[in-house]
Amino acid sequence: GAGVSQSPRYKVAKRGQDVALRCDPISGHVSLFWYQQALGQGPEFLTYFQNEAQLDKSGLPSDRFFAERPEGSVSTLKIQRTQQEDSAVYLCASSQGTEAFFGQGTRLTVV
Amino acid sequence: KQEVTQIPAALSVPEGENLVLNCSFTDSAIYNLQWFRQDPGKGLTSLLLIQSSQREQTSGRLNASLDKSSGRSTLYIAASQPGDSATYLCAVWEGNNRLAFGKGNQVVVIP
Repeated sequence: GAGVSQSPRYKVAKRGQDVALRCDPISGHVSLFWYQQALGQGPEFLTYFQNEAQLDKSGLPSDRFFAERPEGSVSTLKIQRTQQEDSAVYLCASSQGTEAFFGQGTRLTVV
Repeated sequence: KQEVTQIPAALSVPEGENLVLNCSFTDSAIYNLQWFRQDPGKGLTSLLLIQSSQREQTSGRLNASLDKSSGRSTLYIAASQPGDSATYLCAVWEGNNRLAFGKGNQVVVIP
């Protein structure tokens, strides 16, 4: 596609519910990143994939967070047993080299 | 850990004035630096990428400089317009697998 696409754009989850956020990177981009952005803050790194390999997951805040990219293209970020502090915008980016292109983000609200 | 600071956090300028946004980073061993724009409720739009070997990069009314030795980058926007109102984020590439972001400069251009 022309750009990075994320779905859903908005998600409201009840506390304790599991959620799955999807990212379609720019076609052919090897690298894929997930970031979390709290209100009024800059994005914080969560995890990085090179093709299907998850090379860095040091930013995932807890073992409730899990990301995958099984075929080296689409990626899913899963959050289990959501908590209020998980409320944020989740941004996905892809790159070929060191210029990153971001999607519109998914705004997650946990109530 | 790389720390990225953006000053000022927020500013308002009258239309037509030049904008100067500052970014500083603690570890000068950066790979590249990228400036983004973020509109409310939206994702990040890449504005300029400065390679680590470059001192500046220009695109239209935008000019970004990079001084690795002092750990600073500056984004200049000439002849500001109301459409320039947004949050501007500076991000430093740590290797090629992670971007470290500042909290942003929130800009309002007053007509």
